[in-house]
Amino acid sequence: DAGVIQSPRHEVTEMGQEVTLRCKPISGHNSLFWYRQTMMRGLELLIYFNNNVPIDDSGMPEDRFSAKMPNASFSTLKIQPSEPRDSAVYFCASSFRQDGHQAFFGQGTRLTVV
Amino acid sequence: QQQVKQSPQSLIVQKGGISIINCAYENTAFDYFPWYQQFPGKGPALLIAIRPDVSEKKEGRFTISFNKSAKQFSLHIMDSQPGDSATYFCAAIGGADGLTFGKGTHLIIQP
Repeated sequence: DAGVIQSPRHEVTEMGQEVTLRCKPISGHNSLFWYRQTMMRGLELLIYFNNNVPIDDSGMPEDRFSAKMPNASFSTLKIQPSEPRDSAVYFCASSFRQDGHQAFFGQGTRLTVV
Repeated sequence: QQQVKQSPQSLIVQKGGISIINCAYENTAFDYFPWYQQFPGKGPALLIAIRPDVSEKKEGRFTISFNKSAKQFSLHIMDSQPGDSATYFCAAIGGADGLTFGKGTHLIIQP
């Protein structure tokens, strides 16, 4: 298996634009997690899905953020409109278990909003 | 509220020395404590993990020590090597919370 695949690896966008981050989890994993990493706040859980259903989105910072998982092999995190403070590295992770045991992370998407 | 507190924020150790990173938690529902290692430009990768029913777990040069009564656990890296230079995150899982991370320790091993 190729592991968790995220795209794009880098994204630079202007403030106010819509940004869509993509994730393909490891085949057979039924839980998917979106994290945001910054120097100030470390790794923050934004939302996680179990069997394609959003379970906890309490970490989503604002209504500008939304996430979907239309099927077991694909998820998106969308920011609309984007703001400079959204600049961070966004990670997707997947696991066999809802609680995150043995979670595998993708390589991340570095987002810069100018 | 920070559920898992990690220290130090950064650490410099000489090659061959012992690197020690400490973490503390409050939520007694946590029942699994993994450590992740992250290299620049990469995602975190699971390094080693422990359950609270054991006080120590060793895998090669990496050892987790766990003190359930104090709600503390630590990572020891013996014979530290320059290739160990990375950011290390402690984490906890359990109860209503999923995988919750500490803020990370930036470790530099000087040759």
